[in-house]
Amino acid sequence: EAQVTQNPRYLITVTGKKLTVTCSQNMNHEYMSWYRQDPGLGLRQIYYSMNVEVTDKGDVPEGYKVSRKEKRNFPLILESPSPNQTSLYFCASSFGSRPFNYGYTFGSGTRLTVV
Amino acid sequence: ILNVEQSPQSLHVQEGDSTNFTCSFPSSNFYALHWYRWETAKSPEALFVMTLNGDEKKKGRISATLNTKEGYSYLYIKGSQPEDSATYLCAFFFASGSRLTFGEGTQLTVNP
Repeated sequence: EAQVTQNPRYLITVTGKKLTVTCSQNMNHEYMSWYRQDPGLGLRQIYYSMNVEVTDKGDVPEGYKVSRKEKRNFPLILESPSPNQTSLYFCASSFGSRPFNYGYTFGSGTRLTVV
Repeated sequence: ILNVEQSPQSLHVQEGDSTNFTCSFPSSNFYALHWYRWETAKSPEALFVMTLNGDEKKKGRISATLNTKEGYSYLYIKGSQPEDSATYLCAFFFASGSRLTFGEGTQLTVNP
């Protein structure tokens, strides 16, 4: 089944403890992206990647890192999480080097709480 | 950041009613508009990708139109069913940018 797999689904952590949210897609998509969803703010893009070894900042990149060493994987790293990073996170992927001609496929989401 | 506005924020209709809602976006430098359906506790799913002025797309009872010159898109649901209850998101991509900008969504509740 074609899908984007995110892990974990739920995570509670403490301030300052490094964490990684994994994202993997099996559709051979070039484009991958991370979004966060906060009440009243809509989906906001954190980072995106047009292809392997190519990443770029979205609208809210502060406090996050990403890497794209393989086409299928696009992990989101929080080096020192803070409570304002408590949010619902989505990974998404899309076909082709011009992904905006195609709909995004979203992962199932990761609900992160930083205490 | 260019703004994408959706209205209304929420909508309650009765089963069998037809309904529509609006997505407004900057009309200059348009490239593409996406509609997504997001059910509670699930992830957003793509409904339509629209790129041409005057585009009309249809999937079952759901259809969408696009006016790039005036900067709006309408989503229509004919004969709403309880399973149509979801948040409907639109997302805009402009030609000189590099990412989709999402609206906050319209939350639709269809009462049986």
